[in-house]
Amino acid sequence: AQKITQTQPGMFVQEKEAVTLDCTYDTSDQSYGLFWYKQPSSGEMIFLIYQGSYDEQNATEGRYSLNFQKARKSANLVISASQLGDSAMYFCAMREGKIGNQGGKLIFGQGTELSVKP
Amino acid sequence: ETGVTQSPTHLIKTRGQQVTLRCSSQSGHNTVSWYQQALGQGPQFIFQYYREEENGRGNFPPRFSGLQFPNYSSELNVNALELDDSALYLCASSPGRGAQETQYFGPGTRLLVL
Repeated sequence: AQKITQTQPGMFVQEKEAVTLDCTYDTSDQSYGLFWYKQPSSGEMIFLIYQGSYDEQNATEGRYSLNFQKARKSANLVISASQLGDSAMYFCAMREGKIGNQGGKLIFGQGTELSVKP
Repeated sequence: ETGVTQSPTHLIKTRGQQVTLRCSSQSGHNTVSWYQQALGQGPQFIFQYYREEENGRGNFPPRFSGLQFPNYSSELNVNALELDDSALYLCASSPGRGAQETQYFGPGTRLLVL
């Protein structure tokens, strides 16, 4: 069964330091996408970064990078130079390539609450 | 600015009532997905619409129903509201149904059922 696991309910990081948020996934599909979203207390899900299952290079978007280890089925998010505004809930999600019943849905992990300390 | 809008932002209903939540997708997006997020949990997939047809459904009872209109906006209807329906309801649009398509979320509707 498809599943996303985030084992860190909460994380603390000092401002300007880097932090890694863990994510492991389980799927039997060859074609899938991995996503990270940020959810501030306002509730909106903000897209951060995407990694396709066939992408050979790790994705990067500004201060965000995704450490993709396909054999280990992990897709960790690395935030460099943390800022106070990075304090939020972070969700890892997976989308499979199926079309049809439940095709195309995002499966989310439980989230990691990141707190950035000044 | 993602371009996905939802209305209303907040809603209070009583048990047994019916509610309709609305979502306008981002320009150029033909796929809309709805999610329910209970407090402290990750979002759970309710259903997805692609070009006005239901493309998939999660483990939600039939009293959760939806529509997608020709302009790709969408509605989520919930009948016979229960206390456990209290949650943040998120709508997301994407350019298509493929695994590589990013879903962009709206600000959500917070529903409280008393």
